[in-house]
This record gives sequence, C-alpha cells and structure tokens, in this order.
Amino acid sequence: EVQLLESGGALVQPGGSLRLSCAASGFIFSSNAMSWVRQAPGKGPEWVSAINAGGTGAYYADSVKGRFTISRDNSKNTLYLQMSSLRAEDAAVYYCAKGWVTRNYFDCWGQGTLVTVAS
Amino acid sequence: QSALTQPPSASGSPGQSVTISCTGASSDVGGYNLVSWYQQHPGKAPKLMIYEVSKRPSGVPDRFSGSKSGNTASLTVSGLQAEDEADYYCSSYVGSNSVVFGGGTKVTVL
Repeated sequence: EVQLLESGGALVQPGGSLRLSCAASGFIFSSNAMSWVRQAPGKGPEWVSAINAGGTGAYYADSVKGRFTISRDNSKNTLYLQMSSLRAEDAAVYYCAKGWVTRNYFDCWGQGTLVTVAS
Repeated sequence: QSALTQPPSASGSPGQSVTISCTGASSDVGGYNLVSWYQQHPGKAPKLMIYEVSKRPSGVPDRFSGSKSGNTASLTVSGLQAEDEADYYCSSYVGSNSVVFGGGTKVTVL
C-alpha cells in the first residue's frame, strides 16, 4: 500500500523557518517525482513545489520561489521542504503528493501537516 | 496565475446526476489536455478522480466522468450516492512546470 506521512508542521513566527518531511513507503520512491501542495483553511489547494525522481530538477510556485527549497533523500525514501522567511499567507496544511507536475497527475497524497505562522 | 473558477456549490438527489464546471483560460484549461479533478472529504486529503480531462485512475467508479470544451472543463457524477458528498477541485497544467487549482465546489446529496 502506498503511504505518505508528513511531519514537521508547527507554529512559527513570521520570518521564521521550518523543515517539513514526508516519509514514503509502498512504492519505488526513487522512480517517482514528488510535489508539495498546500491548502489554507477553507481554500482550494495550491501547488507549491515539485522535484524529479533523481532530485536533479526542482520547480517552485512564484509565491514561494527564493524562500522554499525542495529536496529528497532517495536512500531514506524521504521528501523535504525547507521553508524560510515565512509569512502569514504561508499558513496552511502542507501535503506531499506522488506524481509529476507536468502531467498534472498526483495519484497519492499524505494526510498533511499543519503550518501556522503567527506571532 | 489566477485560480480556476468553479461554482461554490452543487446538489442533487440520490441517483441523479450533477455536473460541475471549471472555467479557466487559453493559457491553462484551454491550452492543455491536462485537467484533473480531486475529491476531498472533510479533514481528509484530496483524492484523484479524473486526470488528462477524462481518464479515471484505477478504482474510481465509472459514475465519474470528465470532459472539456474550450476553456471550460466539467466533471459529471452520475447516479449520485451519499458518499459522493464532498468538495471537488479541478486543476490544470499552466506550463512552465506549474499547475493551478480551482476554488472548489461543495457537492451536497439531498
């Protein structure tokens, strides 16, 4: 069974940093592109970032470019999202999703981890 | 990139059909056959229901179907069942390795 388990969400002050993790199991992690998608309360999802299977290509939404960094450790079957210079508008549930952005195909999502940005 | 436009709500009685629209532009919905639809129950993660406009992932009932005309995509749920009550989101590829989602439609089974 494909499973994605996010962790690392927390309450952080504006301007602060946070690293999210997503542990994957049940599929060949190193052969699959991955993405982070966030969803603010009561809003639609927003694609945040994607990384190819080998970790050599990363892509970002304009809203997070220069502040967030996606990475992966295929030896640990884990996806990461390093977030810095956090703003109130970054507050959301962050999901990791298996699939590739250029196909707009995300066939498995984790349960999400909540990031709150407030002083 | 602006979010795709969906009606906030739709409803139907059990056994009936409901169709949800998703309006974009020639730069997203109209420009690529890469529209997806997701179902989300309260407190749960989104679930892929339709991809590439009209394809269903394994395990998704054939009561769910998708189509596209110009800059507008549609999701039709036929034979409505109680478990279909959820929020539905459309999504489109917009080029440059990026996708955009709609604001969501709450489907109520009367």
